[in-house]
Amino acid sequence: GAVVSQHPSRVICKSGTSVKIECRSLDFQATTMFWYRQFPKQSLMLMATSNEGSKATYEQGVEKDKFLINHASLTLSTLTVTSAHPEDSSFYICSARDPGSRTEAFFGQGTRLTVV
Amino acid sequence: GESVGLHLPTLSVQEGDNSIINCAYSNSASDYFIWYKQESGKGPQFIIDIRSNMDKRQGQRVTVLLNKTVKHLSLQIAATQPGDSAVYFCAEKNAGGTSYGKLTFGQGTILTVHP
Repeated sequence: GAVVSQHPSRVICKSGTSVKIECRSLDFQATTMFWYRQFPKQSLMLMATSNEGSKATYEQGVEKDKFLINHASLTLSTLTVTSAHPEDSSFYICSARDPGSRTEAFFGQGTRLTVV
Repeated sequence: GESVGLHLPTLSVQEGDNSIINCAYSNSASDYFIWYKQESGKGPQFIIDIRSNMDKRQGQRVTVLLNKTVKHLSLQIAATQPGDSAVYFCAEKNAGGTSYGKLTFGQGTILTVHP
């Protein structure tokens, strides 16, 4: 099946710094990617839809100035958590749809962000 | 709607038993449903999917049942194995959505399989 790769798998940063997470589609082109956040023992919550060549669409309650999304190519979307705070600590997961597959979405392996 | 659960339901079974994991969805306009398995520290892994024009679909050791009348989805795992222990999520896609691949996730169920 299609492969979606996230990097890094885990990151620890100091409060007030920014962290960038990358999401790549390895064997297909994805015009649309999705970013989710998952807190411990909870479900995945959609944060935003990343659109290649245009602005991301954010879900209600998600601060677009804090969670910067860039989708500069058909195989790469990045999520930057700006001025991170401990409450931003979470598991961030991206997904992408392979147009050539009947499966709706493939997920990356996730990034564990810890802000200290 | 979106899942906001604070505590995931749990299901404990013995190895070899059949497992049934349930999911209720709220959007009657959803036309596509997927079951995902998520192991600790990893992203969701696709298990099986079903479209709204079907009520049953079978895979290897897994069966998904869809009851649109009561908006209920279930995942049946036959001969459950310790390696099946994980969190299982159902997800739905709205037929009216403009973004392919945009999913709404259910609450999730923790499955524990005892040897």
